Amino acid sequence: DTAVSQTPKYLVTQMGNDKSIKCEQNLGHDTMYWYKQDSKKFLKIMFSYNNKELIINETVPNRFSPKSPDKAHLNLHINSLELGDSAVYFCASSQGRTGGIDTEAFFGQGTRLTVV
Amino acid sequence: AQTVTQSQPEMSVQEAETVTLSCTYDTSENNYYLFWYKQPPSRQMILVIRQEAYKQQNATENRFSVNFQKAAKSFSLKISDSQLGDTAMYFCAFMTSYDKVIFGPGTSLSVIP
Repeated sequence: DTAVSQTPKYLVTQMGNDKSIKCEQNLGHDTMYWYKQDSKKFLKIMFSYNNKELIINETVPNRFSPKSPDKAHLNLHINSLELGDSAVYFCASSQGRTGGIDTEAFFGQGTRLTVV
Repeated sequence: AQTVTQSQPEMSVQEAETVTLSCTYDTSENNYYLFWYKQPPSRQMILVIRQEAYKQQNATENRFSVNFQKAAKSFSLKISDSQLGDTAMYFCAFMTSYDKVIFGPGTSLSVIP
């Protein structure tokens, strides 16, 4: 069973379109994240949710809007896509600092977004 | 600001040899967690090893071990008996009091047969 799953795995779209990436975790974690990995492999946190509440928003353009319908899901919606949005987007979850042996972040397989 | 630095963008090692990847970080917190993640060409992010900052003993996981120097804010990863499957990007990371996991820029490791 996949612990953190995100769909789609690949997404190619034109500039100006709106797209969504879905993420689900079945680990019972309270915290979920979205990371962006650019062409230089740098991983930058975008958002963090704890129990459906936004706790971290790292100066991400308003075109990016996370939605957490429940604590097992954190979807990322992107409006008016731009060329610079091309990257790999990773969803992750963790039990946080109270997690003990489960403290680390578990990652999805990533979504490669290409804007043309 | 909390930051993670990996000063070696690329490294290579001969198969069966030992290699050490360096990582330094900056935080004013006293209690935090440190991690090394591996990202092979498959793109998957895989946890290699974890260290709690309040533990003095260095973590080990089979061929992987860390040298954690809290005062120096240093957290290096040693890979012994390197294998071809160890070829990957390696990211140092730490978790802050707000459960925020911050990553370093990564070190690309190539294991040469």
